[in-house]
Amino acid sequence: DGGITQSPKYLFRKEGQNVTLSCEQNLNHDAMYWYRQDPGQGLRLIYYSQIVNDFQKGDIAEGYSVSREKKESFPLTVTSAQKNPTAFYLCASSYSFSFTNTEAFFGQGTRLTVV
Amino acid sequence: DQQVKQNSPSLSVQEGRISILNCDYTNSMFDYFLWYKKYPAEGPTFLISISSIKDKNEDGRFTVFLNKSAKHLSLHIVPSQPGDSAVYFCALGPQVSAGGTSYGKLTFGQGTILTVHP
Repeated sequence: DGGITQSPKYLFRKEGQNVTLSCEQNLNHDAMYWYRQDPGQGLRLIYYSQIVNDFQKGDIAEGYSVSREKKESFPLTVTSAQKNPTAFYLCASSYSFSFTNTEAFFGQGTRLTVV
Repeated sequence: DQQVKQNSPSLSVQEGRISILNCDYTNSMFDYFLWYKKYPAEGPTFLISISSIKDKNEDGRFTVFLNKSAKHLSLHIVPSQPGDSAVYFCALGPQVSAGGTSYGKLTFGQGTILTVHP
């Protein structure tokens, strides 16, 4: 079955540590995205990638880094520079970044908690 | 400055009645409008969409209305069922730039928690 998979589902991190969240899709989608959800707020875009080996900052990129070495994979690293990393992180993909009328497909999310 | 607003954080409806969820936006450059449904600890799932050339799109119990002049989007669910209880996000995009290029990133509202009581 085609889909988008995030792992792990729950992640605990000590302050000062970097941590990487995994996102894999087998939908053959060109575009991939990372969003963050906080209580009472909508999904906010962290980074997005239009195509392999390319990515751009979203609205709240500070303290995060990404890579897009393979079409299927778009890992997100939450660095120690991110001041408030505890949140629910969602990865998404869509057929094409520049094609109109494209819906995004989301993974199940990763709940990151800093302890 | 929030470009997309869902002003009702929550909505409670009796089973069988109509649920109306609202979404307002400020940027007239958006040309595609979507609704997503989200259960706790899960990713959002696509529900229904409408393009800017239409003012209504219907899919079973779900109907989305678009009022471009008012920059207002609404989702009607009728009849509402307990299984509809979830958080509903409106999402806008792609946004067409002045150069004519479409950008695929979606701009989300804050979400409305819908509770349908049996």
